Amino acid sequence: DIQLTQSPSTLSASVGDRVTITCRASQSISSWLAWYQQKPGKAPELLISKASSLESGVPSRFSGSGSGTEFTLTISSLQPDDFATYYCQQYKSYFPTFGQGTKVEIK
Amino acid sequence: QVHLVQSGAEVKKPGASVKVSCRTSGYTFSTYGITWVRQAPGQGLEWMGWITADNANSNYAQTVRGRVTMTTDTSTRTAYMELRGLRSNDTAVYYCARGSGYQTFDYWGQGTLVTVSS
Repeated sequence: DIQLTQSPSTLSASVGDRVTITCRASQSISSWLAWYQQKPGKAPELLISKASSLESGVPSRFSGSGSGTEFTLTISSLQPDDFATYYCQQYKSYFPTFGQGTKVEIK
Repeated sequence: QVHLVQSGAEVKKPGASVKVSCRTSGYTFSTYGITWVRQAPGQGLEWMGWITADNANSNYAQTVRGRVTMTTDTSTRTAYMELRGLRSNDTAVYYCARGSGYQTFDYWGQGTLVTVSS
């Protein structure tokens, strides 16, 4: 299976901060990477597909980049609604996998 | 609007089976498969498997293979996930999501809590 490693596991930030989360794959997945946001008690929501393609309705402060084995999710100016856990997911393989998650907390 | 609505919470004893349903609406059911993902308390997301809408193809994670069966009923636009031989570490919220092989999961059900306890 393709392993995904996210860093950091927890991130403390303030409203207005620029935040970057990294996802590293154990082998090349080209651009077959998605990012999800999950709030407590809720289902995950798809934010970004194909590494950098923003889903409809997702605020433009979210952006994704990368290819191959290294990817980033950036929030340009953190808003109160953005405090949540973020997961990357690869769909290059017949067996999709998720990263372990990055929790974005209020500083 | 696309909706996936799951069945309610379940409490099961070790060794029992559970069957969770996922009723869909708002899209052409035959166009997308259904994926199942679970999340143990305080833990991350674990992909369990997916099934195509026509039941022709399925793919299960090694961690549950042999104990899980995923099916769909095209007449009711409903997907099902049955997990047998329940253990305490199967306690989790189980999610269905739209999408299958080589796809993202763009719409999700609300989740079903399955508690395994003696």
